[in-house]
Amino acid sequence: NAGVTQTPKFRVLKTGQSMTLLCAQDMNHEYMYWYRQDPGMGLRLIHYSVGEGTTAKGEVPDGYNVSRLKKQNFLLGLESAAPSQTSVYFCASTESPGLADTQYFGPGTRLTVL
Amino acid sequence: GIQVEQSPPDLILQEGANSTLRCNFSDSVNNLQWFHQNPWGQLINLFYIPSGTKQNGRLSATTVATERYSLLYISSSQTTDSGVYFCAVVNYGQNFVFGPGTRLSVLP
Repeated sequence: NAGVTQTPKFRVLKTGQSMTLLCAQDMNHEYMYWYRQDPGMGLRLIHYSVGEGTTAKGEVPDGYNVSRLKKQNFLLGLESAAPSQTSVYFCASTESPGLADTQYFGPGTRLTVL
Repeated sequence: GIQVEQSPPDLILQEGANSTLRCNFSDSVNNLQWFHQNPWGQLINLFYIPSGTKQNGRLSATTVATERYSLLYISSSQTTDSGVYFCAVVNYGQNFVFGPGTRLSVLP
């Protein structure tokens, strides 16, 4: 039982390049989230999904796209990376935010955009 | 949307000391969790506590939902308690909203 995994762990991009971050969970959770964490700050929600085939915008969605084609995977895409997207990206999953269930976090992806 | 504040923003303790971290939120919630982010960046859930009091070893938490705050107590602190403590709430929706965190440094 691996929990929540993220690929890759580190990445350096040049401005304008594109990439996809992969999040996978093996707990059969319905809800999945992508957050970004900038230095010295809390976590801000980028996009989330309430089930397979669904996505929704969070607090800071601009410049990102997501897809949830399979229940266990949640992909975060950057079509044209900008230096402002330099951050640590965390994926999380939970069965239901309204129940006595915690969020489980992946280890994070450290992205630098030059 | 709901606002979440945490205090103090930074806290430095000597090993063995006790501390209280506070989380204030601006609206009613049906889920409140405390997380610890260790110095390596890993986020670990400490408590699910939308109301009442819970204890787990040296840590305990209390949420007074009617007054919209939660407290995290750390007793006999250890260097391994260092890191950032986040409060996160759900305002009867689908998302968690995180506070800005309290950065704790425990000195040997």
